[in-house]
Amino acid sequence: EAGVTQFPSHSVIEKGQTVTLRCDPISGHDNLYWYRRVMGKEIKFLLHFVKESKQDESGMPNNRFLAERTGGTYSTLKVQPAELEDSGVYFCASSQDLEAIATDTQYFGPGTRLTVL
Amino acid sequence: DAKTTQPPSMDCAEGRAANLPCNHSTISGNEYVYWYRQIHSQGPQYIIHGLKNNETNEMASLIITEDRKSSTLILPHATLRDTAVYYCIVRRKYNFNKFYFGSGTKLNVKP
Repeated sequence: EAGVTQFPSHSVIEKGQTVTLRCDPISGHDNLYWYRRVMGKEIKFLLHFVKESKQDESGMPNNRFLAERTGGTYSTLKVQPAELEDSGVYFCASSQDLEAIATDTQYFGPGTRLTVL
Repeated sequence: DAKTTQPPSMDCAEGRAANLPCNHSTISGNEYVYWYRQIHSQGPQYIIHGLKNNETNEMASLIITEDRKSSTLILPHATLRDTAVYYCIVRRKYNFNKFYFGSGTKLNVKP
């Protein structure tokens, strides 16, 4: 069974440009999460999808970040326009069981390393 | 927001057991303890989780004290590939969809 995949693995862009990150969850997982680690800081939650709906986006830093999950499969996270402080590693995770979400294990992808120059 | 306390780093000899402690003195009755690890440049990897009883799987064992205020992750025979940052996470009763990663413990397995 394939794990969570993310694309690209690395992205280098200039300040003011737009970048779109993609996450493909484990097949059949209804829950999809985005996290990020910015330089020197801890891994922080960004948002949570249940199928195609945003369940919790309390961690999104500002309106330059837009996450979508059309059709409830893969998700994209767009940063527009990118700022220097957006540099870091963006992780995606997925989990399966809506009924037992409180104990449902999240499986993480390898991350996308974003560098904004 | 962190509800756990872990030592910043530990060393372990290859082949020996690695015992990683975690303090979670404010844990509530139905909050789970999760352990993840992050090997350099990879995504966090799930290891194990538990509520009250000790748990064991193919990767590790989790020992939770009777009062649930602390736990220990045990890697029975550490290898060089176990060198990583280990995170002890209390999965909150509310806001249970999000994991709060603290600073973790950097485990250095040495030959």
